[in-house]
Amino acid sequence: DIQMTQSPSSLSASVGDRVTITCRASQGISNYLAWYQQKPGKVPKLLIYAASTLQSGVPSRFSGSGSGTDFTLTISSLQPEDVATYYCQKYNSAPPPFGQGTKVEIK
Amino acid sequence: EVQLVESGGGLVKPGGSLRLSCAASGFTFSSYSMNWVRQAPGKGLEWVSSISSSSSYIYYADSVKGRFTISRDNAKNSLYLQMNSLRAEDTAVYYCARGFWSGLLFDYWGQGTLVTVSS
Repeated sequence: DIQMTQSPSSLSASVGDRVTITCRASQGISNYLAWYQQKPGKVPKLLIYAASTLQSGVPSRFSGSGSGTDFTLTISSLQPEDVATYYCQKYNSAPPPFGQGTKVEIK
Repeated sequence: EVQLVESGGGLVKPGGSLRLSCAASGFTFSSYSMNWVRQAPGKGLEWVSSISSSSSYIYYADSVKGRFTISRDNAKNSLYLQMNSLRAEDTAVYYCARGFWSGLLFDYWGQGTLVTVSS
């Protein structure tokens, strides 16, 4: 089975900073990569799919890129409401594993 | 508005059984794959099981294969998860999630129901 590995596991940045999270698949998955945001105590929310397509209603400061095995989620200007744990997930076939998560905090 | 409402969680002893339900509304339930995803306390997300729109394709995580059974009733707009031989490591919040694209991309999630396996 394909494994998804995220880095870093946590980060702390200042409001307005550019934040980048990396996700690596153990085998190529084309662009079948999604990113989810889970705010503390809340339900996960789909942010990005097909590696770079923003889900409806997601702010444009979020962007995704990559293909094959290496992917990134970028927040261009970190906002207080972006404090959350972010998960990547591959979804082209079962099983669809998640990465272990990246916790983003405000410095 | 898409709504997914889980129920059936609770406290159960190791080796026991529990049946979770997910009531769907606001979309054509019979046209979508549906999934269960769980999250142990303080841990990450773990996909559990998936069922296609007509129940033709069913998948399970290795961690629950042989113990859990996913099913759906399109006439009742409902998804189910029968959980048998429960273990302490099954303790988690269980989310119902709608699948699209491949059926394994989760665009809407319920609020979750907590399952606690403890003696």
